Amino acid sequence: DTGVSQDPRHKITKRGQNVTFRCDPISEHNRLYWYRQTLGQGPEFLTYFQNEAQLEKSRLLSDRFSAERPKGSFSTLEIQRTEQGDSAMYLCASLSVQGGGNTIYFGEGSWLTVV
Amino acid sequence: AQKVTQAQTEISVVEKEDVTLDCVYETRDTTYYLFWYKQPPSGELVFLIRRNSFDEQNEISGRYSWNFQKSTSSFNFTITASQVVDSAVYFCALSGYSGGYQKVTFGTGTKLQVIP
Repeated sequence: DTGVSQDPRHKITKRGQNVTFRCDPISEHNRLYWYRQTLGQGPEFLTYFQNEAQLEKSRLLSDRFSAERPKGSFSTLEIQRTEQGDSAMYLCASLSVQGGGNTIYFGEGSWLTVV
Repeated sequence: AQKVTQAQTEISVVEKEDVTLDCVYETRDTTYYLFWYKQPPSGELVFLIRRNSFDEQNEISGRYSWNFQKSTSSFNFTITASQVVDSAVYFCALSGYSGGYQKVTFGTGTKLQVIP
């Protein structure tokens, strides 16, 4: 499979615990995005990377959230001290910006339930 | 600032009917891209189409067609002869282009239910 891969697909955690999601973008794509989607809403932008550089962060990304892309390939999104309001689907997407760019491809998402 | 408005929250049609999903956008960028994505119950966002702001030609792909009107800032999506498999949430999205793609802003989605 050569699409965007996310792991785990589902995570149930107790309030206060830390969780980490991983995203493996399409291999030649140098831009990577994280979005969050709650029930009945469209995806909301969280942050994006150009290679290993984090270029923009939404104010939705509180201090409890941190995203990394250490080698410009896979990325991780960590949520510390989870709260019930963090329950959502976390979507990763990737894009190649060479040659004028192309389509943004999304992974299947990581569902988080905080109980 | 970018904004995408999908005023229709839910639409129900009977199979074989045509249906149009509306999308209105706001942006200050002169160059931008518009997208439609389909999200079936499984959750994955499936890319349907991308248009750039300089190309106002309507596009048809099978039963799908898109009408881009810059004058009204609209990018509407029509499904002809709808089928049950078209049931999903459809998102319109916008990305500015300033030195490269910027973040993609999504609308709140339109849930389409096609009744057999």
